[in-house]
Amino acid sequence: AAGVIQSPRHLIKEKRETATLKCYPIPRHDTVYWYQQGPGQDPQFLISFYEKMQSDKGSIPDRFSAQQFSDYHSELNMSSLELGDSALYFCASSLLRGLVTEAFFGQGTRLTVV
Amino acid sequence: QQQVKQSPQSLIVQKGGIPIINCAYENTAFDYFPWYQQFPGKGPALLIAIRPDVSEKKEGRFTISFNKSAKQFSLHIMDSQPGDSATYFCAASIPFNAGGTSYGKLTFGQGTILTVHP
Repeated sequence: AAGVIQSPRHLIKEKRETATLKCYPIPRHDTVYWYQQGPGQDPQFLISFYEKMQSDKGSIPDRFSAQQFSDYHSELNMSSLELGDSALYFCASSLLRGLVTEAFFGQGTRLTVV
Repeated sequence: QQQVKQSPQSLIVQKGGIPIINCAYENTAFDYFPWYQQFPGKGPALLIAIRPDVSEKKEGRFTISFNKSAKQFSLHIMDSQPGDSATYFCAASIPFNAGGTSYGKLTFGQGTILTVHP
């Protein structure tokens, strides 16, 4: 079965640079979520999109932005990177209009800021 | 402020043992409670989930017990194996509301590192 695909899997950036993370949800899923997971921590919700519209926002820094495109893939753009942005970034998708609440996660992008 | 509190932080059992991980929540609007298993460097994988209208759910070796009045739920792993060694997260979410206030975001517990010795 198709899963959530994230790219790249690993990314190394310098401070103050910009990074773009991509997410391809499970086909026909209508909702995409982004989470950030620091070392030894639980995933923290950043932002979500339902049917390509921003639906919910968590503790996402103003330096970060995200969007969902017509083909339902999503991108998380991170600017002015800081050392503290080093983390695993996960995308998840679900099918909310089918009242299926299960969220399926991708393998994540490990961002290292040096 | 952690809306979902998980314990213990770490747990060591022998093969065949039954580790139990507990979670407690405050927000009574939560109505969906999944458990995720995560291996190092990998994404969380959905194990099993429960809604408040049932007190117990079993899937294979995994069982969720749910106590709505106490606002607590727990994961039991029967006949644990070394391959079960991973970090386990409980989570909770509020019902999807297309009217515009809830879209299923997950609030996670702090995680439990489980080690199963051979």
